[in-house]
Amino acid sequence: KNEVEQSPQNLTAQEGEFITINCSYSVGISALHWLQQHPGGGIVSLFMLSSGKKKHGRLIATINIQEKHSSLHITASHPRDSAVYICAVRRTGTASKLTFGTGTRLQVTL
Amino acid sequence: DVKVTQSSRYLVKRTGEKVFLECVQDMDHENMFWYRQDPGLGLRLIYFSYDVKMKEKGDIPEGYSVSREKKERFSLILESASTNQTSMYLCASSLWPGGGETEAFFGQGTRLTVV
Repeated sequence: KNEVEQSPQNLTAQEGEFITINCSYSVGISALHWLQQHPGGGIVSLFMLSSGKKKHGRLIATINIQEKHSSLHITASHPRDSAVYICAVRRTGTASKLTFGTGTRLQVTL
Repeated sequence: DVKVTQSSRYLVKRTGEKVFLECVQDMDHENMFWYRQDPGLGLRLIYFSYDVKMKEKGDIPEGYSVSREKKERFSLILESASTNQTSMYLCASSLWPGGGETEAFFGQGTRLTVV
């Protein structure tokens, strides 16, 4: 079993829909990252959080440390949000190393 | 803006060749990482370096070596390329934690095909 599990693996939504991507982890962590990877490969860091909630534009990330669960929400989705979204955790005691989920592929259609 | 730059976007090499993948970052970060990304497996850590000339094996170091002679540059070396090393390779950098949250910055990736 992977230490970081994401769901769903694939997601198709219509423009304007509210989207939720989930991440569950089974290890102790010091931080959790949400990353975005567009076709072509480059990865961009969206959020890094260790508690509570963060918001940037139409993106919201939440984390529940007790339940070992995080969600990434996209409000008013747009085709340019189409990408792979990756959850990664920094395990406690592993300094800078990240452990990654396998990603959620999001396709937003008109 | 932090920039992590990988030397090639696409690379095709022959089996048995020695392959060098280069990564440069411009933000004076202590940590640099090499990952490979394969469908269904996510990103897996090959090697990382937390200082010049310092390196540690990641989860899948077999068949790879690294070099960090200068702080800004981290090279991944495939000593004798094999077809099972066909993959997307991603470089990343970050500050040494020091107790706070530290963001990771990624390069654009190098898609390597070994034929």
